[in-house]
Amino acid sequence: GENVEQHPSTLSVQEGDSAVIKCTYSDSASNYFPWYKQELGKRPQLIIDIRSNVGEKKDQRIAVTLNKTAKHFSLHITETQPEDSAVYFCAARGRSNSGYALNFGKGTSLLVTP
Amino acid sequence: DAGVIQSPRHEVTEMGQEVTLRCKPISGHDYLFWYRQTMMRGLELLIYFNNNVPIDDSGMPEDRFSAKMPNASFSTLKIQPSEPRDSAVYFCASSLTQGSTEAFFGQGTRLTVV
Repeated sequence: GENVEQHPSTLSVQEGDSAVIKCTYSDSASNYFPWYKQELGKRPQLIIDIRSNVGEKKDQRIAVTLNKTAKHFSLHITETQPEDSAVYFCAARGRSNSGYALNFGKGTSLLVTP
Repeated sequence: DAGVIQSPRHEVTEMGQEVTLRCKPISGHDYLFWYRQTMMRGLELLIYFNNNVPIDDSGMPEDRFSAKMPNASFSTLKIQPSEPRDSAVYFCASSLTQGSTEAFFGQGTRLTVV
């Protein structure tokens, strides 16, 4: 099945700086790559996603890039704010038996200090 | 739609007891996923269903775990007998059809086995 690796596991940045989280996946047939944000005690919620036919996508301060050849994708957060502090998960949706499973990385705990 | 609904929100049980977690997916969604979240292992995919049929249960840790989806609006995850190492937050998520679509998470069930 799909194996998703995520780095770093923890990240601390000053408010206003940028944060970058990187993920790799194993299944070249994977075609959908969402990023979820999970605040303490809450459910994971989608913040941005990218499909395999797109190399880059941006939504205000958040951007995601995808390199299909290298099988890695990254989340970029610019002008970080304290409310960006949370755990971020990358995921890849790939073929699993006769369906499509969504497998997650282990998460990155981001701390933005004022 | 009220989103994915899980019950109970919290469960505390004694080792050896049977535990049943419940999930109601978003109406019309044909994929349903069960995840277990722990600090050590992150979000692990346990099993997922497509059109009420279990597609891949390779993530189910042991025979003590079982899951069913008797109809499109209800799924259960059962642990029998429960053990302290089963303590975790269990999330249910659903999505619409295959390919590149967002998975919506329920609020999770925090299970503590003492």
